[in-house]
Amino acid sequence: AQKVTQAQTEISVVEKEDVTLDCVYETRDTTYYLFWYKQPPSGELVFLIRRNSFDEQNEISGRYSWNFQKSTSSFNFTITASQVVDSAVYFCALSEAFGGSQGNLIFGKGTKLSVKP
Amino acid sequence: GAVVSQHPSRVICKSGTSVKIECRSLDFQATTMFWYRQFPKQSLMLMATSNEGSKATYEQGVEKDKFLINHASLTLSTLTVTSAHPEDSSFYICSARDWSQAFFGQGTRLTVV
Repeated sequence: AQKVTQAQTEISVVEKEDVTLDCVYETRDTTYYLFWYKQPPSGELVFLIRRNSFDEQNEISGRYSWNFQKSTSSFNFTITASQVVDSAVYFCALSEAFGGSQGNLIFGKGTKLSVKP
Repeated sequence: GAVVSQHPSRVICKSGTSVKIECRSLDFQATTMFWYRQFPKQSLMLMATSNEGSKATYEQGVEKDKFLINHASLTLSTLTVTSAHPEDSSFYICSARDWSQAFFGQGTRLTVV
């Protein structure tokens, strides 16, 4: 069975601190995709990154970075020098296939990040 | 700009009435769309998979007669909440995929009073 676990329910940091959001997944497939989304209070899901299971390279995009470790089934997300605008709920998600009727995402429970000035 | 457009963004309806939510893929054809529901402070849960030209596939525990899904074209799927009750109040969000990623609509916040 596929599952995504985000153990941190809420995190509170002070602006400029670095923060890491944890994501652990379970799947039996060898081909799968991992995602991170940001959900601000407005509710819309903002796409941050997609990573396929064959690409273990870590990625950096501005203040955001992702660490994908297949050995520990983890796909952690780090925000460097956090800002108040980073405050949101962040979801990690897993997809076991791409396209067609199997392309739905399985979401973790989300981590609410609060960045205080 | 938005690749998947969902309307309305907010709706308040009286108990017992029906509400229709539209989900359109703007830049690509989507043979499959997904409908999720999110209760306050909870995660997104898949309700059903909408297939163009055929019946939707519902997840366990989701009433197909209550949540009617129609996917009549490659760019439009609709979710109708029939005989809505206060417990149906939730955030509903649709998704469509192309070859590269999953796109989400803006979501619809439904309040049944």
